[in-house]
Amino acid sequence: DAKTTQPTSMDCAEGRAANLPCNHSTISGNEYVYWYRQIHSQGPQYIIHGLKNNETNEMASLIITEDRKSSTLILPHATLRDTAVYYCIVRVGGTYKYIFGTGTRLKVLA
Amino acid sequence: DSGVTQTPKHLITATGQRVTLRCSPRSGDLSVYWYQQSLDQGLQFLIQYYNGEERAKGNILERFSAQQFPDLHSELNLSSLELGDSALYFCASSVGVGQGAGNTIYFGEGSWLTVV
Repeated sequence: DAKTTQPTSMDCAEGRAANLPCNHSTISGNEYVYWYRQIHSQGPQYIIHGLKNNETNEMASLIITEDRKSSTLILPHATLRDTAVYYCIVRVGGTYKYIFGTGTRLKVLA
Repeated sequence: DSGVTQTPKHLITATGQRVTLRCSPRSGDLSVYWYQQSLDQGLQFLIQYYNGEERAKGNILERFSAQQFPDLHSELNLSSLELGDSALYFCASSVGVGQGAGNTIYFGEGSWLTVV
């Protein structure tokens, strides 16, 4: 059922931008891409979502390719507290299932 | 604080027993979702309810059942528990049922279930 592909892990130096890619090649035209993160075993935390245009909020920026088959979450100035597992999710087409992939384990290094 | 409340936070029970996990969605949210996360595993979608009706089903075992009540709180019932059912169970809620700009899913902090 998983419809997203993400790198298993990434490292980022503190203060630098963290760019986390996600492939969602089977996304339908009216489906949004959502990003969440999970710090340790806490509940997943909503970060940002988008449909076609690039989006930015106080936490991150989301860049979606023109064909919408992939996206990149950007944490502009990563801090140690950003160390977490980051998930991008899309809805399974024609259903109400929101399936999480394996996510990217981001480690921010001091 | 997401506004989604789950109880209990921790639960230890024996194999073969039955437990009930409770979830109160955010005020105004009509959809409730249940996810299971085993040790070192990802989030597995179990089931979704919208305004009392089941809307989507994932990898939920037959020993597990859920319901959403008229006041919109939800319960996940786990029976004939096995050691492998030990996991973190998350409830989440959203305003609507479909995916859209305003239908962000918010998660609770989870219920830790340990089966011994």
